[in-house]
Amino acid sequence: GAVVSQHPSRVICKSGTSVKIECRSLDFQATTMFWYRQFPKQSLMLMATSNEGSKATYEQGVEKDKFLINHASLTLSTLTVTSAHPEDSSFYICSARLDSRADTQYFGPGTRLTVL
Amino acid sequence: RKEVEQDPGPFNVPEGATVAFNCTYSNSASQSFFWYRQDCRKEPKLLMSVYSSGNEDGRFTAQLNRASQYISLLIRDSKLSDSATYLCVVNRSGNTGKLIFGQGTTLQVKP
Repeated sequence: GAVVSQHPSRVICKSGTSVKIECRSLDFQATTMFWYRQFPKQSLMLMATSNEGSKATYEQGVEKDKFLINHASLTLSTLTVTSAHPEDSSFYICSARLDSRADTQYFGPGTRLTVL
Repeated sequence: RKEVEQDPGPFNVPEGATVAFNCTYSNSASQSFFWYRQDCRKEPKLLMSVYSSGNEDGRFTAQLNRASQYISLLIRDSKLSDSATYLCVVNRSGNTGKLIFGQGTTLQVKP
């Protein structure tokens, strides 16, 4: 199946710093990628939809100025958590859709962010 | 009301048991339905899509009842390796690709 990678897999940072997470589709081009967040013992919550060459669309309640998304190419989307705080500590997962007709999404391995 | 609701469990069953999970969804316009499996501290992995006619993949059988907005997953002959959290997933209406995840049902298969 299609492969999606994320980097870094784990990051620990101080409060107030910004953290960039990369999501790459390794063997296919993804016009659309999605970013999710999962808190302990909770389900994945969709944060935003990232479209190549255009602005991301954010779900209700997600601050677009805090979670900056850039989808500069068909194989790369980045999520930057700006001025991270302890409450931003979570498991961030991206997924990529093969094309606009496809239901199936392929998930990256996730990035565990801990903000001290 | 949550868009996708599942009983979080946990379900503790012995090896070889048959176990069933249920899920309800609120958006009648949803078109695509899935079961994903998530192991601890890992990303979710697609287990199977769910179709109105019902579908089977080895020991796993999924059913969809659109009228009741109800999805089920049946696991027969449980293995220790089936221990995981099973996520019921529904797409939001239209072709946005947006997936809505249930809270997940935790299964623990014991020897």
